[in-house]
Amino acid sequence: KNEVEQSPQNLTAQEGEFITINCSYSVGISALHWLQQHPGGGIVSLFMLSSGKKKHGRLIATINIQEKHSSLHITASHPRDSAVYICAPYNTDKLIFGTGTRLQVFP
Amino acid sequence: KAGVTQTPRYLIKTRGQQVTLSCSPISGHRSVSWYQQTPGQGLQFLFEYFSETQRNKGNFPGRFSGRQFSNSRSEMNVSTLELGDSALYLCASSRTLAGVGEQYFGPGTRLTVT
Repeated sequence: KNEVEQSPQNLTAQEGEFITINCSYSVGISALHWLQQHPGGGIVSLFMLSSGKKKHGRLIATINIQEKHSSLHITASHPRDSAVYICAPYNTDKLIFGTGTRLQVFP
Repeated sequence: KAGVTQTPRYLIKTRGQQVTLSCSPISGHRSVSWYQQTPGQGLQFLFEYFSETQRNKGNFPGRFSGRQFSNSRSEMNVSTLELGDSALYLCASSRTLAGVGEQYFGPGTRLTVT
């Protein structure tokens, strides 16, 4: 079983929809990162969180350390949000990565 | 502020050769981490350097090595290349240790081994 599970693997949405991507992990962590990767390959760090909730623009990330679960929400999705979203918990001095959620937002 | 730069951006090598990739972190960042991304395995941690010391290494053979210089620039080396080493190699820098500080990724070096 993978240490990090993301769901769904693929997601399509209409512009304006509310999006939720889930991440569950089985190991103890000190922090968790959410990353965004566009088709060209470039990766952008969206959030790093160790508890509670963070918000940046239309993006919200939450984490429940006890339940070993994190979610990434996108409010009012837009075609430019189309990308792969990767959950990356930090465990024993290294990031471990989920397989990613491929999001496509259509106008 | 300039971002993380990686050179070269694309590289084609033959099996058995060796390759050196370079990463220049954001000024002031002391941590550089390296990652390999393949379609089959996804993103995997290679190693992290902080203040010229390797802090941790992922589950990769000894053919993969790296180092960090006093100006925080880092290089990784892969010797005796195999076809399976074809991948996108990404580096990321952070002000503090990776994982507890925001990471800034470079554009990657796409290595093709033929």
